[in-house]
Amino acid sequence: EIVLTQSPGTLSLSPGERATLSCRASQSVSSYLAWYQQKPGQAPRLLIYGASSRATGIPDRFSGSGSGTDFTLTISRLEPEDFAVYYCQQYGSSPRTFGQGTKVEIK
Amino acid sequence: EVQLVESGGGLVQPGGSLRLSCAASGFTFSSYWMSWVRQAPGKGLEWVANIKQDGSEKDYVDSVKGRFTISRDNAKNSMNLQMNSLRAEDTAVYYCARTDYGKGFDIWGQGTMVTVSA
Repeated sequence: EIVLTQSPGTLSLSPGERATLSCRASQSVSSYLAWYQQKPGQAPRLLIYGASSRATGIPDRFSGSGSGTDFTLTISRLEPEDFAVYYCQQYGSSPRTFGQGTKVEIK
Repeated sequence: EVQLVESGGGLVQPGGSLRLSCAASGFTFSSYWMSWVRQAPGKGLEWVANIKQDGSEKDYVDSVKGRFTISRDNAKNSMNLQMNSLRAEDTAVYYCARTDYGKGFDIWGQGTMVTVSA
């Protein structure tokens, strides 16, 4: 099973600041890496797939990078609606696994 | 509008059974793998099971193998999860998710809560 480790656990930032979230895989997932956003009481929403491709309707302030075992989700300028929990997930092998999440909170 | 709607959650005693359903609309259901993903209260996401377009391939997380069964009916645009021998640790919100092998889980339902408790 591929283990995904996200860091930091919590990121405290102000609106307008840049957020950088990390996801590290225990073995290579090539580019089969997705990022999801989840707000309280809501289902997750796909943001990024293939490590760097934005899903339909996702603003360009969200970007993803990396391949193999190290990945990054960057939010260039935080908007009020971006404060949420973010999960990475690999879909290159079974079982499909998620990271434990990074909470982006308002400072 | 592309939509997934789960139903069938509720309170069940340990050892009991429950059947979840997922109704799909707004897309060609038979063209996609489908999955169940769960989230225990206050915890992260866990993939549970998935099923191929024609139902010929199914896969499960180890913790539910032998207890849960995923199925689909393409004529009715629906997917089910039969959950037997339920345990307290199965308590979670269960999400139905469209599965694109190039994109991961690209469409999610709103979830249905399953509580396993005496």
